[in-house]
Amino acid sequence: QVQLVQSGAEVRKPGASVKVSCKASGYFFTDYNFHWVRQAPGQRLEWMGWINTDNGDTKYSQKFQGRVTFTRDTSATAAYMEINSLRSEDTAVFYCARETSYSGYYFANYWGQGTLVTVTS
Amino acid sequence: EIVLTQSPATLSLSPGERATLSCRASQSVGNNLAWYQQKLGQVPRLLIYTASNRATDIPARFSGSGSGTDFTLTISSLEPEDFAVYYCHQRSNWPNTFGQGTKLEMK
Repeated sequence: QVQLVQSGAEVRKPGASVKVSCKASGYFFTDYNFHWVRQAPGQRLEWMGWINTDNGDTKYSQKFQGRVTFTRDTSATAAYMEINSLRSEDTAVFYCARETSYSGYYFANYWGQGTLVTVTS
Repeated sequence: EIVLTQSPATLSLSPGERATLSCRASQSVGNNLAWYQQKLGQVPRLLIYTASNRATDIPARFSGSGSGTDFTLTISSLEPEDFAVYYCHQRSNWPNTFGQGTKLEMK
């Protein structure tokens, strides 16, 4: 069965970086793309961007452009999200989510468990 | 950026009642819209894709309708496990966006 397992909670100081991993199993990794979604405490879901797991192409929400990098390692069947220049407002749970095709439309229907990143001095 | 506005922000109903949740897009998204349910402390779950199709294992009491700019999620008869936050999500344009959510709470 499809599983997405994310790395554990992190604590960082403002200005630092953090890299979150999302290990996939139960299917052929490069057949499906990944999204990353942020959720600050008590707040809405916020779409950060997307990575094509086959060719590594990425798209970022303008809000995160230049500060976030998505990568993937096909041999490790894992996707990664790195965010730098962290600020307190980045304190949030970060989710990876895998797409599925529904007659040519793609929606995320498998989600990792979430990784809490706390930014505090 | 397409803005999705959900209403109401909070909906207070009792088990057995019908729930109607609205999502309005600032410009047309066709039918490239999904609904997610998120219970407290849990991961979002896909309920509806392409505006009106139920995802795998989603009970028949959940239904979606609409196209273009106006969408509705209906829960025909609320079960206790349905009280949660519901988000609409569009994939028509970059950046993809989520609505701000509707909290469905037990009266």
